[in-house]
Amino acid sequence: KQEVTQIPAALSVPEGENLVLNCSFTDSAIYNLQWFRQDPGKGLTSLLLIQSSQREQTSGRLNASLDKSSGRSTLYIAASQPGDSATYLCAVRGAQKLVFGQGTRLTINP
Amino acid sequence: GEEVAQTPKHLVRGEGQKAKLYCAPIKGHSYVFWYQQVLKNEFKFLISFQNENVFDETGMPKERFSAKCLPNSPCSLEIQATKLEDSAVYFCASSQSGTAGIDYGYTFGSGTRLTVV
Repeated sequence: KQEVTQIPAALSVPEGENLVLNCSFTDSAIYNLQWFRQDPGKGLTSLLLIQSSQREQTSGRLNASLDKSSGRSTLYIAASQPGDSATYLCAVRGAQKLVFGQGTRLTINP
Repeated sequence: GEEVAQTPKHLVRGEGQKAKLYCAPIKGHSYVFWYQQVLKNEFKFLISFQNENVFDETGMPKERFSAKCLPNSPCSLEIQATKLEDSAVYFCASSQSGTAGIDYGYTFGSGTRLTVV
């Protein structure tokens, strides 16, 4: 059974800092890994999708890496802004089912 | 449109009443998924469809929950005789069929918040 873990559970940093969110998964037989953002009371916004054959994806200030063999992914956020405050969720897709981590609640302080 | 449309946004039911939630997937997406989000961001998989066929229903509490995806109609998730513990946000997502070497991600709707009182 696939299990996804995100560390840390919560993170608070001053504006402008670069930061890394971590995600680990137990079963390396995945199709892809997706990072989402969820604002309070809102739905999920897809940030980055990494195919199982890829090592990383970039979008603006975001960079996500994938190491399937070690069961790890990281989300790097450069030059953080208060608008980046949200919960970030990592999810792995295998056998047509997405399994989520518990999320990292990120707060960027002005 | 390029969004997954879920209705209603909010639903309040008395314990024991029926609740029905709807989801219109993105046109051309052949997979539909339902997830339940309870406290502390926990996402619980309920059921998935490939077109109108159930693909995986391992997460469904079958005694009270049912779901359908019929042609030319929104997909639906129905809860008979709701319980307090059913209070949650229910998310629907859709996805395209994968092609060689490419597996598409999920697009989520904005969810239906069900409150059972």
